[in-house]
Amino acid sequence: EAGVVQSPRYKIIEKKQPVAFWCNPISGHNTLYWYRQNLGQGPELLIRYENEEAVDDSQLPKDRFSAERLKGVDSTLKIQPAELGDSAVYLCASETGGAGANVLTFGAGSRLTVL
Amino acid sequence: SQQGEEDPQALSIQEGENATMNCSYKTSINNLQWYRQNSGRGLVHLILIRSNEREKHSGRLRVTLDTSKKSSSLLITASRAADTASYFCATDAAQKLVFGQGTRLTINP
Repeated sequence: EAGVVQSPRYKIIEKKQPVAFWCNPISGHNTLYWYRQNLGQGPELLIRYENEEAVDDSQLPKDRFSAERLKGVDSTLKIQPAELGDSAVYLCASETGGAGANVLTFGAGSRLTVL
Repeated sequence: SQQGEEDPQALSIQEGENATMNCSYKTSINNLQWYRQNSGRGLVHLILIRSNEREKHSGRLRVTLDTSKKSSSLLITASRAADTASYFCATDAAQKLVFGQGTRLTINP
């Protein structure tokens, strides 16, 4: 099994440019998360999907960030326009969902550098 | 926002010694989890302890939970060089997993 796959692994852009990250979760995992991890910090939740529905996007900066999960499988996180403070690692995670403990499987992350 | 606070922020020990990391949190939880992150990688789940449990073991890992003090500890026994990583506690409440800031563990050969 491939695990949670993210791309690109690294992205360097200039401020005000757009950027997009892609995530393919583990097959059968209905719940998908996007986290942002700043250097030396723990991950912070941006958005959680149950199938194709965004059930928690309270911490997603909606003025510049958007996300989608078409057909309840792959997901894309977009930033437009990017700002210097957006430099971070963007982590995607998935789990089976439903009742019970939320044990997450993470991808390797997409490291964004905004110049 | 991050609920968990971890202590110490960094820990450096000799190979073979035991490593203890602590996590404190603020609100009631369903369970508490510990994850490991190697440099440049995603997080990997290590162990989960439910709110009605006090201690749990998995291999060289021992986790304790004190809900009255809202704190947990992770003990790694007989440390190895491969244990060098950042360790994060994560509290599960209201279907939301909130991570602490992590402890950076370095095992010196």
